Amino acid sequence: GQQLNQSPQSMFIQEGEDVSMNCTSSSIFNTWLWYKQDPGEGPVLLIALYKAGELTSNGRLTAQFGTTRKDSFLNISASIPSDVGIYFCAGLSAGNNRKLIWGLGTSLAVNP
Amino acid sequence: DSGVTQTPKHLITATGQRVTLRCSPRSGDLSVYWYQQSLDQGLQFLIQYYNGEERAKGNILERFSAQQFPDLHSELNLSSLELGDSALYFCASSVAGQDIGYGYTFGSGTRLTVV
Repeated sequence: GQQLNQSPQSMFIQEGEDVSMNCTSSSIFNTWLWYKQDPGEGPVLLIALYKAGELTSNGRLTAQFGTTRKDSFLNISASIPSDVGIYFCAGLSAGNNRKLIWGLGTSLAVNP
Repeated sequence: DSGVTQTPKHLITATGQRVTLRCSPRSGDLSVYWYQQSLDQGLQFLIQYYNGEERAKGNILERFSAQQFPDLHSELNLSSLELGDSALYFCASSVAGQDIGYGYTFGSGTRLTVV
């Protein structure tokens, strides 16, 4: 099925470092969502973006809806060990037949 | 606790067998979505039900079927199981019928291992 290009695929960083990841698509989306999946759990919604150019924060997390509506970015500042997990982007396609398209995830490991 | 309950948490079965996964949506949610997550494929949407009716279909194999009951719980039936069906199966729920994205609440998943 259709998927978003999410990068990087994995990251291994030191505690305290900032993290950036992004999703790109050839299609336009009306909504971008960022989820985090802890080991052994289901994904949990972190941030939702509904307008091109929108910048939204949730604690140390900041996400942006790209102005072209074909990409989105997630930044995590001052990472901590509990940030470990898989981060997924998801885009809601435009038009009448709206579908939620998922990225393959960015696996984040944080070295204390 | 997300409010979405999935059972069982783990399931080990042999090839060729049939299993049923169960999901109870969050209170008040009418839509149930089923997803398959394997290591190399990310989250793959299988099927959505809204208030008992099938609403959308994704990459669901013919060997798989689902239904949503009047009490809104849903079951995913997987038959003639193959080794490649080993994966995490997630259920999610939302209030709305259309796939609006926000308001998706995931359960903790069922890990299926086919041996």
